[in-house]
Amino acid sequence: GAVVSQHPSRVICKSGTSVKIECRSLDFQATTMFWYRQFPKQSLMLMATSNEGSKATYEQGVEKDKFLINHASLTLSTLTVTSAHPEDSSFYICSASPLNSPLHFGNGTRLTVT
Amino acid sequence: DAKTTQPPSMDCAEGRAANLPCNHSTISGNEYVYWYRQIHSQGPQYIIHGLKNNETNEMASLIITEDRKSSTLILPHATLRDTAVYYCILGVGAGSYQLTFGKGTKLSVIP
Repeated sequence: GAVVSQHPSRVICKSGTSVKIECRSLDFQATTMFWYRQFPKQSLMLMATSNEGSKATYEQGVEKDKFLINHASLTLSTLTVTSAHPEDSSFYICSASPLNSPLHFGNGTRLTVT
Repeated sequence: DAKTTQPPSMDCAEGRAANLPCNHSTISGNEYVYWYRQIHSQGPQYIIHGLKNNETNEMASLIITEDRKSSTLILPHATLRDTAVYYCILGVGAGSYQLTFGKGTKLSVIP
């Protein structure tokens, strides 16, 4: 089945620094990938849609200058949390799917900002 | 807002069938019913999806009522590893994008 890989699985960073999270589709090409965020005891919330070769589409309330998304190839999207603060600590999850197939999710990245 | 309603929690004895209900009374004609589950601290895992016919795969069965306003996910022989939050989600098309997650059902499989 389709495999979506995320890296790193955990990251701890200091307040004010930037963190990059990678999302790869391992056995298929994905023109679109999705980034979700999940706070403790809450459900997943869609942050943005990553489009290969064009600008990402952000959900209402998500700052595009803070959460930079780059989808430079058909198998890789990156999410960079810039100038991270403790309130950005969360579980970040990406997803993608082959054509006409259900979405598959990565195993998530646990970000802790100290 | 999620367009589905699920009970917040359920218990199931190990080895028994787990039947997880989902109401989706405002489902549109082109919306599929998708089921995912999320084990603690992992990404969601796809289980099954269907449009109007019942579906079965190696993980589960999906029963959709004739009026499509509700469905049931069946795990035929629940194990402790099936303890997770189960999400019932509506999505347009067989390859669904932008899935909107509700709160799901926390299934606890009890020894």
